[in-house]
Amino acid sequence: EAGVTQFPSHSVIEKGQTVTLRCDPISGHDNLYWYRRVMGKEIKFLLHFVKESKQDESGMPNNRFLAERTGGTYSTLKVQPAELEDSGVYFCASSEQRLSSYNEQFFGPGTRLTVL
Amino acid sequence: GNSVTQMEGPVTLSEEAFLTINCTYTATGYPSLFWYVQYPGEGLQLLLKATKADDKGSNKGFEATYRKETTSFHLEKGSVQVSDSAVYFCALRRGETSYDKVIFGPGTSLSVIP
Repeated sequence: EAGVTQFPSHSVIEKGQTVTLRCDPISGHDNLYWYRRVMGKEIKFLLHFVKESKQDESGMPNNRFLAERTGGTYSTLKVQPAELEDSGVYFCASSEQRLSSYNEQFFGPGTRLTVL
Repeated sequence: GNSVTQMEGPVTLSEEAFLTINCTYTATGYPSLFWYVQYPGEGLQLLLKATKADDKGSNKGFEATYRKETTSFHLEKGSVQVSDSAVYFCALRRGETSYDKVIFGPGTSLSVIP
């Protein structure tokens, strides 16, 4: 079974440009999460989708970031316009929607974003 | 609020040395605790977990025990290998809901030299 995939693996853009990151969760996983690790610091939560709905977007840093999950399958995270401080690694994760005490989040390889 | 603190590296060890990476947490309620690992060029992988006090998580020779009295979840391995070189993240999930977000520590980079 394929794991969580992310595209691109690495993106280099100039300040002010737009970048769109894509995440394909594990098939059948209703929960999809975005995280990022900036400047070698801790990995921080950005937002959480349940199917196509935003369950929690408390971690989104500002309105330059827009996440979508149309149809409840893959998700995109757009940064427009990108700033220098947006550089980092963006991780996507997915998990099942089961009523149990533990649902493992499976992480993708991440997209390394460099803003020059 | 909920947070995770772990020793920051980089940590450099010789092969077969003993490894300890300290991790402490602050959380309300009864969180689940995790260690994730990121090998060079790869994504985050769950290394081990513990969901309640005194549980011991173990995998690939690594162990960590959920200590509620000291709010700690230290990672240990008796004999590291070069292939263990990676970044290790201690993390927690509050546990009120089964799909809650994961809160990570800053990560500890480990290099094991032959």
